[in-house]
Amino acid sequence: AQSVTQLGSHVSVSEGALVLLRCNYSSSVPPYLFWYVQYPNQGLQLLLKYTSAATLVKGINGFEAEFKKSETSFHLTKPSAHMSDAAEYFCAVSGGNQFYFGTGTSLTVIP
Amino acid sequence: GAVVSQHPSWVICKSGTSVKIECRSLDFQATTMFWYRQFPKQSLMLMATSNEGSKATYEQGVEKDKFLINHASLTLSTLTVTSAHPEDSSFYICSARDPGTNSGGTGELFFGEGSRLTVL
Repeated sequence: AQSVTQLGSHVSVSEGALVLLRCNYSSSVPPYLFWYVQYPNQGLQLLLKYTSAATLVKGINGFEAEFKKSETSFHLTKPSAHMSDAAEYFCAVSGGNQFYFGTGTSLTVIP
Repeated sequence: GAVVSQHPSWVICKSGTSVKIECRSLDFQATTMFWYRQFPKQSLMLMATSNEGSKATYEQGVEKDKFLINHASLTLSTLTVTSAHPEDSSFYICSARDPGTNSGGTGELFFGEGSRLTVL
């Protein structure tokens, strides 16, 4: 069975500061992991995905995530937060034809 | 990338009426689509898996007679909320996987823009 846990339902950072959103996964098979972003009243947009190639995955808008098997983690980072990064972020793991989403982390960027 | 379109984006209806939401894959054929429900400040809850040409598979606790799903073609799935009540008010999102990119489960889900349903 697959699942993900997002630590911290709300994260606030200052503009220009490092963004770190945490995600830990549980999977009985090699996982495929994803980060999605959701802006208010919109669907989800893929930021990046890990599919067993490079462990450091670079995505859109300057985001990246590192797959760490030993820690069962796939944390999302961005070196410098921008006001436009304020949104809801979801980590997800793929199992067969289904996706399993975390509970989401709301990112607030303080000017 | 692949595009999934949802319509309408916003709908307001009276209690007791039915509302239909459409989900279309614009540039790929989707044998499977997924319908999610999202409550404010919460994650997505999978409601059902829509299968082209066959019955939808509903998650536990989701009333199939309440939420009718039809997947009439490889590019269209519809969700009909029947006899809507205020507690059905929510944000409904559909998604689909592009089979051309879904190798062994690595393909991403493409999401519609979501439909905000308000039942008065």
